[in-house]
Amino acid sequence: NAGVTQTPKFRVLKTGQSMTLLCAQDMNHEYMYWYRQDPGMGLRLIHYSVGEGTTAKGEVPDGYNVSRLKKQNFLLGLESAAPSQTSVYFCASSYRAGGRGNQPQHFGDGTRLSIL
Amino acid sequence: QQPVQSPQAVILREGEDAVINCSSSKALYSVHWYRQKHGEAPIFLMILLKGGEQKGHDKISASFNEKKQQSSLYLTASQLSYSGTYFCGTDNAGNMLTFGGGTRLMVKP
Repeated sequence: NAGVTQTPKFRVLKTGQSMTLLCAQDMNHEYMYWYRQDPGMGLRLIHYSVGEGTTAKGEVPDGYNVSRLKKQNFLLGLESAAPSQTSVYFCASSYRAGGRGNQPQHFGDGTRLSIL
Repeated sequence: QQPVQSPQAVILREGEDAVINCSSSKALYSVHWYRQKHGEAPIFLMILLKGGEQKGHDKISASFNEKKQQSSLYLTASQLSYSGTYFCGTDNAGNMLTFGGGTRLMVKP
C-alpha cells in the first residue's frame, strides 16, 4: 500500500520556468491538499479539493494552480516560477475534511523545490 | 489565522516530561496533532473534537479546552524516538486545517 506518492522528490528551476507537481493516493480519499513548508512557518495550505473535479483556494494560493481530473490525483502547477516559491511542498489526503470528518490527513514525502 | 504554539523549542533528557501548547484566536471544532522528523513527512498522532476530551496514545496524550480555544500535548517519560517537530492543526468548522508554526523537541540520552 503506497499511500500518498509525490513526484518528483527534488527539482531545481530557473525563474520564469513552469512545472507541475504530481500527487497520487491509493486510499480512495475524497479530500486532497497541497501545502508548502518554509522554515519557522509550519505548513501553509495552498489549494485543496473536496472531490474529483473540484478545487478551492487555501491560505496562500497566489502563483499556483491545481487540477483534480481523477479522484486519485491532485496536480499543483507553477506557471512562472519565482524565487519566493522555493520551498518544500507536501501533498496530503483524507477521507473527509481533516477536522469535521474526524479523519487524519496522510502526507506524502514531499517535493523539495529550488528556484534560482 | 495561524494558531500559536508554545514553546517554540524544548530540550529534554530521556525520561523527562514535556507539554506543548496550541492556542487559537478562533472558535475550534477540532484539533489535530502531528509529528515530523527532519526531512520526513508529518505523521498523524491524534485528533481531539470539541467537548473537552482527552486522548492518549502510548505515553503521549492531549487535551482540548474549547472554551479557552486551546489544546495541549503531553509527552510522558520521553524517549529518544519522540524527537522531532510537533504541529497542531486547528479546524474552525471549514474544510481545512490551519497549522501552527511547530515546536521542536529534542530528547537527549
